[in-house]
Amino acid sequence: EPEVTQTPSHQVTQMGQEVILRCVPISNHLYFYWYRQILGQKVEFLVSFYNNEISEKSEIFDDQFSVERPDGSNFTLKIRSTKLEDSAMYFCASSVNSGANVLTFGAGSRLTVL
Amino acid sequence: QKEVEQNSGPLSVPEGAIASLNCTYSDRGSQSFFWYRQYSGKSPELIMSIYSNGDKEDGRFTAQLNKASQYVSLLIRDSQPSDSATYLCAVNNGGSGNTPLVFGKGTRLSVIA
Repeated sequence: EPEVTQTPSHQVTQMGQEVILRCVPISNHLYFYWYRQILGQKVEFLVSFYNNEISEKSEIFDDQFSVERPDGSNFTLKIRSTKLEDSAMYFCASSVNSGANVLTFGAGSRLTVL
Repeated sequence: QKEVEQNSGPLSVPEGAIASLNCTYSDRGSQSFFWYRQYSGKSPELIMSIYSNGDKEDGRFTAQLNKASQYVSLLIRDSQPSDSATYLCAVNNGGSGNTPLVFGKGTRLSVIA
């Protein structure tokens, strides 16, 4: 079964450092997303991406965050200067279409900021 | 602010019983409704999707939607210990734009053997 692949599975970084989380969406999917989940809290939307540009972003997705699709397969989330409160599980997801279509999530990347 | 509300639980049911999980949402324009299962430390995994009022059955799972009451539920029949997980309700307006899913905080289900 096709799956969304995320790397790394766990990253520990010092506050103020840059972090890049990588995702390989399912190959025929056109819409890509990043969500995050702080321990014990709800899954929160960060950003959606289609046709090489951001479609929508939440209040969480401030200037410290950026996304990129550097090639035909990878989709990355960059956090420029990490803060303690960025510690969370970051999930990449993709879907064939938007709206009613089902999202498939990757296994997640756990980010720990010290 | 679009909200999705769930009772956080834990909901404890004996093995073989029916588990009933409930969710309410604030956005009347919502059109697409999903139940995801999330095991501890893992990613959300889709259980059911429902788009129109009424019931939708898939194996041991039944999703129920009432748009007038802004209410969606999930029934799990013949509950098994392996069903023990957090169940996330997610909603979006299903429009043509790239609208994001809004998740509830989840209900933790514990099935006791």
